[in-house]
Amino acid sequence: AQTVTQSQPEMSVQEAETVTLSCTYDTSESNYYLFWYKQPPSRQMILVIRQEAYKQQNATENRFSVNFQKAAKSFSLKISDSQLGDTAMYFCAFMIWDGSGNTGKLIFGQGTTLQVKP
Amino acid sequence: EPEVTQTPSHQVTQMGQEVILRCVPISNHLYFYWYRQILGQKVEFLVSFYNNEISEKSEIFDDQFSVERPDGSNFTLKIRSTKLEDSAMYFCASSNPIGAIQYFGAGTRLSVL
Repeated sequence: AQTVTQSQPEMSVQEAETVTLSCTYDTSESNYYLFWYKQPPSRQMILVIRQEAYKQQNATENRFSVNFQKAAKSFSLKISDSQLGDTAMYFCAFMIWDGSGNTGKLIFGQGTTLQVKP
Repeated sequence: EPEVTQTPSHQVTQMGQEVILRCVPISNHLYFYWYRQILGQKVEFLVSFYNNEISEKSEIFDDQFSVERPDGSNFTLKIRSTKLEDSAMYFCASSNPIGAIQYFGAGTRLSVL
């Protein structure tokens, strides 16, 4: 069974600084996707970034980037130039993609609450 | 920008009552999902749906739950006899193709009294 672990329940960062959120996962599959979703106080789930496991290059989306270490099964999210609007809960998620029998099920970690302070 | 729409935003019901949560996925999407989030906890997968049938369901999705795509636009989750522990935020999501980004609705907060 696949599991996703986020070991930091809460983090805080000063506005304009950089913060890194950790995520590790466990799977025996070789092909999969990894995601970071953001959940602000409104509780809407918003995609931040996606990484395909077969790609060695780390995904980047404006101020958001990941450090994907496949051998270590680690997928951390770096937020640069933190803004007050980044305050939210962040969920790491995993999806198997082996080309057959896929159902698209997302498996989520427990979440990290990020507070950006002015 | 297309979005997934969920109604109602908040549903209050008595224990033992049936509830139907409604979702309108993005129009050209073919894969549909329901997730649940109990307050303060992680998001949990309930069910995935494709080609008018369930493709996978979790242990949470027991006989009290059912899903349906009654027409070309709606995707519903029915809970036949609600329990106190069904109180949670329920999210609908859709994607196309499978493996692509899942877009989530704003959720329905279900409160079972």
